[in-house]
Amino acid sequence: DTGVSQNPRHKITKRGQNVTFRCDPISEHNRLYWYRQTLGQGPEFLTYFQNEAQLEKSRLLSDRFSAERPKGSFSTLEIQRTEQGDSAMYLCASSLGGSGETQYFGPGTRLLVL
Amino acid sequence: GQNIDQPTEMTATEGAIVQINCTYQTSGFNGLFWYQQHAGEAPTFLSYNVLDGLEEKGRFSSFLSRSKGYSYLLLKELQMKDSASYLCAPTSGTYKYIFGTGTRLKVLA
Repeated sequence: DTGVSQNPRHKITKRGQNVTFRCDPISEHNRLYWYRQTLGQGPEFLTYFQNEAQLEKSRLLSDRFSAERPKGSFSTLEIQRTEQGDSAMYLCASSLGGSGETQYFGPGTRLLVL
Repeated sequence: GQNIDQPTEMTATEGAIVQINCTYQTSGFNGLFWYQQHAGEAPTFLSYNVLDGLEEKGRFSSFLSRSKGYSYLLLKELQMKDSASYLCAPTSGTYKYIFGTGTRLKVLA
């Protein structure tokens, strides 16, 4: 399977704990995106990488959130001091590069903060 | 900024045809994507329209009118497996998508 993969698929944590999610994009894709989706809503853009460079962060991404893509391949999204409002599906997508091109989504990581 | 409007829910019968509308306001419009998302799963690509008109792909077709800020997704010969959310995402020539809230389609037997 050469699609986008994400791990873990599910994560339950207690408020105040730190969590980290991983995304492995399609191998030849140089762009990687993180989105967050809550129930009944469409995905909301969080951040975007071109190779290893993080080129944009949404205002939704508070200081507790950090994302990295150290070698331009896989990416991690860390949430520090989780809050109940962080409970959501975190989706990763990748694309080849260029304007208006198709993004391919991974299966997502569902986070529940108790 | 961007404003995207889709119906929240639609219901249709197996074998029927359904049209899901999307109106949008966005600066620097480039094209519009439609994605399908089954409950608890990732969005999957359905179509991308750049030019005005209808693009057909099997049972699914997508239409775009750039001047009216309007698109629709047409699903023919509905099947139970078509029960899902359908997400409209106009793009403005940048890399990120701005999704609407999606339309939840229920297909009844």
